[in-house]
Amino acid sequence: GAVVSQHPSRVICKSGTSVKIECRSLDFQATTMFWYRQFPKQSLMLMATSNEGSKATYEQGVEKDKFLINHASLTLSTLTVTSAHPEDSSFYICSAPENTEAFFGQGTRLTVV
Amino acid sequence: GENVEQHPSTLSVQEGDSAVIKCTYSDSASNYFPWYKQELGKRPQLIIDIRSNVGEKKDQRIAVTLNKTAKHFSLHITETQPEDSAVYFCAASFTGTASKLTFGTGTRLQVTL
Repeated sequence: GAVVSQHPSRVICKSGTSVKIECRSLDFQATTMFWYRQFPKQSLMLMATSNEGSKATYEQGVEKDKFLINHASLTLSTLTVTSAHPEDSSFYICSAPENTEAFFGQGTRLTVV
Repeated sequence: GENVEQHPSTLSVQEGDSAVIKCTYSDSASNYFPWYKQELGKRPQLIIDIRSNVGEKKDQRIAVTLNKTAKHFSLHITETQPEDSAVYFCAASFTGTASKLTFGTGTRLQVTL
């Protein structure tokens, strides 16, 4: 199947700093990618849809100025958590659809201290 | 928006027994229902999916059934093995593909020897 690579896999940052997470489709082009957040022992919650060449669309309750999404090419989407706070600590995971199936990145565990 | 409920939250079965996980959805427009297996700290992996024009689908030890009228679908795993132990998520989408998935809350399956 298709491969989606996400980096970094783990990151620890200080409160108030920003963190960038990359999501790459390695062997296919993805005009759309999706960003999810998963708190411990909870489900994946869709945060936003990343659209190549245009603005991302955010789900209700997700702050677009805090979670900046850039999808500058057909193989790369980035999520930047700005001014991170401890409550932003979570597992962030991207997915890209190929044909009708979704392929997930390996996820990024963000810890804000 | 769509709401997906999943039961049970935890399930323990003996090796060789069957396991059944059930999900209900709220949006009658949903037409694509995948099931994912997620091991701790890893990415979700698609194990089986079903579309609204089909009532049942089987792949070796795994089967999924869909009741559109009642808006529920179920995952059946037969002859369970220890390596089946993981968290399983159901999901639903109105796009007919794995775009914009709404996930269930997850079921932690433990297969004991």
